[in-house]
Amino acid sequence: GQQLNQSPQSMFIQEGEDVSMNCTSSSIFNTWLWYKQEPGEGPVLLIALYKAGELTSNGRLTAQFGITRKDSFLNISASIPSDVGIYFCAGPISSGSARQLTFGSGTQLTVLP
Amino acid sequence: SAVISQKPSRDICQRGTSLTIQCQVDSQVTMMFWYRQQPGQSLTLIATANQGSEATYESGFVIDKFPISRPNLTFSTLTVSNMSPEDSSIYLCSVVSISEAFFGQGTRLTVV
Repeated sequence: GQQLNQSPQSMFIQEGEDVSMNCTSSSIFNTWLWYKQEPGEGPVLLIALYKAGELTSNGRLTAQFGITRKDSFLNISASIPSDVGIYFCAGPISSGSARQLTFGSGTQLTVLP
Repeated sequence: SAVISQKPSRDICQRGTSLTIQCQVDSQVTMMFWYRQQPGQSLTLIATANQGSEATYESGFVIDKFPISRPNLTFSTLTVSNMSPEDSSIYLCSVVSISEAFFGQGTRLTVV
């Protein structure tokens, strides 16, 4: 099946530093989604990407849809303590109706004061 | 976006019993999805709940273990049957608007 390889698995950074994480796949995706999950909550959508090469920002977050459609990255600039959480990339399962998602393994982000 | 209410938010259950999780959406949606998130893991799709027809299950998940109801376009339930400790997970319902999925806050299930 389709798999999303997400890295790094975890990150420990100082407040104010920039963060970068990425997802790759052996399959082409037509949509890339980035989610954040905080403890006790469901994932919350951060950024959605629909076109190869697309670069989209949401505040301090920036995500890009790779030209090959097999990868995407998420950057967080000037990290703050509330950025702590697990970040997941996701894309539609090709065998489904394009509405079911497959998820990367997640990046656990810890921001140290 | 869609507002999704899921309950219970958490429960501790005895092995061998069953738990039904409810998911309510603030708008009508064609498909609802149920995911499982095992401790420290990512999300795995259990099934797609279709209104008016049987749910469609992913590989590794069966109806006898995870029966699903979808009585109308705003509501669905997932039952975790004959529970064992290996069923301890977070269960999440989800809906899709255009190509973006939205999630409930999840049900944290612990089986003892």
